[in-house]
Amino acid sequence: AQTVTQSQPEMSVQEAETVTLSCTYDTSESDYYLFWYKQPPSRQMILVIRQEAYKQQNATENRFSVNFQKAAKSFSLKISDSQLGDAAMYFCAYSGTNSGNEKLTFGTGTRLTIIP
Amino acid sequence: DADVTQTPRNRITKTGKRIMLECSQTKGHDRMYWYRQDPGLGLRLIYYSFDVKDINKGEISDGYSVSRQAQAKFSLSLESAIPNQTALYFCATSDFIGGQETQYFGPGTRLLVL
Repeated sequence: AQTVTQSQPEMSVQEAETVTLSCTYDTSESDYYLFWYKQPPSRQMILVIRQEAYKQQNATENRFSVNFQKAAKSFSLKISDSQLGDAAMYFCAYSGTNSGNEKLTFGTGTRLTIIP
Repeated sequence: DADVTQTPRNRITKTGKRIMLECSQTKGHDRMYWYRQDPGLGLRLIYYSFDVKDINKGEISDGYSVSRQAQAKFSLSLESAIPNQTALYFCATSDFIGGQETQYFGPGTRLLVL
């Protein structure tokens, strides 16, 4: 079974600075997808970024980028130029591609605080 | 209008009561999911459905049942609610195009079982 580990329950960063959230996972599959979701106080789950394991290039979405290290099974999220609206819980998630493994497995989340 | 809606948004019920949480989507997706979120545990999968005739148990299905009434509707029932089912419940939908899948979540239902 796949597992996703987020070892930082809480992080804080000064506004306009850069912060990196860590995520590691365990799987025996060679092809899969990784995601970062954001959950603000409104509790809505919002997709931030996704990465296909077969792509070596790291995904980027505006101020959000990932550092995907397949051999190390690591998938960190970097937020540049942090803004107050980035304050939220961030969840790392894994989805397999084999039949029956397409479901999302989530980490326990990292609460990000932005310091004005 | 929201693509994935959940009703009710908040619910308080008593131990032993049967309740139903409903989810509707206008995205036209075949795949639908129910998750539960507890503090410190992230989201855990309860049930999922890949089409109207397909229902599958997730990680924590005990005490829950589901019904896929149509492509757009997927309901979660607690047959006899107990206090440890107090949680935030999310419905999600996804498409699976070209081997790629992305899940889209509803706003969540906060359930309190007394």
